Amino acid sequence: EVQLVESGGGLVQPGGSLRLSCAASGFTFSSYSMNWVRQAPGKGLEWVSYISSSSSTIYYADSVKGRFTISRDNAKNSLYLQMNSLRDEDTAVYYCAREVKVVDYWGQGTLVTVSS
Amino acid sequence: EIVMTQSPATLSVSPGERATLSCRASQSVSSNLAWYQQKPGQAPRLLIYGASTRATGIPARFSGSGSGTEFTLTISSLQSEDFAVYYCQQYNNWPRWTFGQGTKVEIK
Repeated sequence: EVQLVESGGGLVQPGGSLRLSCAASGFTFSSYSMNWVRQAPGKGLEWVSYISSSSSTIYYADSVKGRFTISRDNAKNSLYLQMNSLRDEDTAVYYCAREVKVVDYWGQGTLVTVSS
Repeated sequence: EIVMTQSPATLSVSPGERATLSCRASQSVSSNLAWYQQKPGQAPRLLIYGASTRATGIPARFSGSGSGTEFTLTISSLQSEDFAVYYCQQYNNWPRWTFGQGTKVEIK
């Protein structure tokens, strides 16, 4: 069974940092591209970042470019999102998402709240 | 950026009735269009990709159609478990996906 389990969310002050993790199991993690997608409270879905299976290709949404860094460790079956210079508008549930051009599996999400 | 616009924002439907949801793209996305279902407190679930192909395990009452800029998700006979929010997503501009703002299907 495919499982994606996010962790690392919490309350952080504006300008602060947080590192999200996603533990994958039930499939060959190193064969799949992965993404982070977020959802602000009561709002729709927003794509955040993409990383290819080998980490050779990475993309970011303009809203997070220069502040967020996506990475992965295929040996540990894990995906990460380092978030720096956090802003109020980064408050959201962050989902880890397995990609086959579309998202076929989602994690349960981890809530990041940016507030003073 | 490709903007996805869904209508209506809320759809009130009685169980057993048909529901028709619309999604419009600001420019052509060919057939690179997916639909997701999201229930409160849960992650989204893939329903349809390629505009009309049902994902694994999705019941036949869900169907998708359209190409270019106009797309439709139809639920032929609404079941109680179908009341949820539905999002369309374009992946023509992969990996820079964009999603619609969602259509909430509620019980009439």
